[in-house]
Amino acid sequence: KQEVTQIPAALSVPEGENLVLNCSFTDSAIYNLQWFRQDPGKGLTSLLLIQSSQREQTSGRLNASLDKSSGRSTLYIAASQPGDSATYLCAAREGNYQLIWGAGTKLIIKP
Amino acid sequence: DTEVTQTPKHLVMGMTNKKSLKCEQHMGHRAMYWYKQKAKKPPELMFVYSYEKLSINESVPSRFSPECPNSSLLNLHLHALQPEDSALYLCASSRLPGGAGNQPQHFGDGTRLSIL
Repeated sequence: KQEVTQIPAALSVPEGENLVLNCSFTDSAIYNLQWFRQDPGKGLTSLLLIQSSQREQTSGRLNASLDKSSGRSTLYIAASQPGDSATYLCAAREGNYQLIWGAGTKLIIKP
Repeated sequence: DTEVTQTPKHLVMGMTNKKSLKCEQHMGHRAMYWYKQKAKKPPELMFVYSYEKLSINESVPSRFSPECPNSSLLNLHLHALQPEDSALYLCASSRLPGGAGNQPQHFGDGTRLSIL
């Protein structure tokens, strides 16, 4: 049974720092891995999706990597800003529809 | 702004009420989803519609009744809910169902439901 883990559960860093969020999964047979952000009381915003055949995807200050052999994905945020404060969730897609979710990392960027 | 629109944003109802949640997307997506999210937890899949037909029901109690009237609309009818059903209900859509698509799921902002 697939399990997705995100460590740490919370992270606080000063503004301007580069940071990495981690996501690990137990079964490498995934279709893709998707990173989302969620602001308090809001829905989820899709940030990046990495196909199983890809190694990384980039969007602006965000870079997501995928290493299926080690069961890991990382989300790199460059030059962090207070507006990046949110909860970040990763989800591994199995089968046709099912997303297996991590519990999320709550990120706080201190001005 | 999200491309998946959910109404209402907030809903308070008694255990004997009947209400409906609505979700709309105009991206041409043919898969639509209902999720339930409790505080500080990841979303839990409830239902999946593929080409307007119910594909997945994750053993959801019958007091939740989904409906997909057309390819752009998804409803969730609520009746005789329990206090533990209070949660954020999220709708999502994706371009193609099935393994060939590998398309991201796009989420709405959700409906915050409180059961008194």
